[in-house]
Amino acid sequence: AQSVTQLDSHVSVSEGTPVLLRCNYSSSYSPSLFWYVQHPNKGLQLLLKYTSAATLVKGINGFEAEFKKSETSFHLTKPSAHMSDAAEYFCVVSGKTSYDKVIFGPGTSLSVIP
Amino acid sequence: DAGVTQSPTHLIKTRGQQVTLRCSPKSGHDTVSWYQQALGQGPQFIFQYYEEEERQRGNFPDRFSGHQFPNYSSELNVNALLLGDSALYLCASSLIGTDGYTFGSGTRLTVV
Repeated sequence: AQSVTQLDSHVSVSEGTPVLLRCNYSSSYSPSLFWYVQHPNKGLQLLLKYTSAATLVKGINGFEAEFKKSETSFHLTKPSAHMSDAAEYFCVVSGKTSYDKVIFGPGTSLSVIP
Repeated sequence: DAGVTQSPTHLIKTRGQQVTLRCSPKSGHDTVSWYQQALGQGPQFIFQYYEEEERQRGNFPDRFSGHQFPNYSSELNVNALLLGDSALYLCASSLIGTDGYTFGSGTRLTVV
């Protein structure tokens, strides 16, 4: 069975400061991991994904995430927050193929203070 | 290159009615998955269609049914609507055997 925990339901940062959104997963096999962003009244946009290549994954808009198997974590970071980063972020776990279910975390709402 | 297209974008229905939502997958994709996202929650997997058959199903009642057509497009049907069915319904397409998913912008269903 697979599951995802996002440790913070809401994170607030000042513009220009680092962002850290935490995600822990549980999987009975080697998973694929994703981060998606959802702006208000919009669909889901893929930020980045890990599929067992490099453990440090770089995504769009300056985001990156590090896969740590020993900690079963896949935290999302960005060195400097921008106002446009304010959105809902979802950590997602899946198997390696689309035969496998895609499990979403509950989401973390990111606020960026000017 | 068109992404995933969902229609309609918004819909209001009365409790007890039936609704059909539609999804056209990204060009080159053959698999469609449906998700329900209630307000303030993450998307919940409803079911997945491939080769016109339901391949996987999440924890949703039989009131939720679907269909996939030969051109890979898909419909989600919900019967006997409840107030709790009010949500954003997301469609995601993919190519079977890969892990690349493309999501549509969703259909916002309101049941009154």
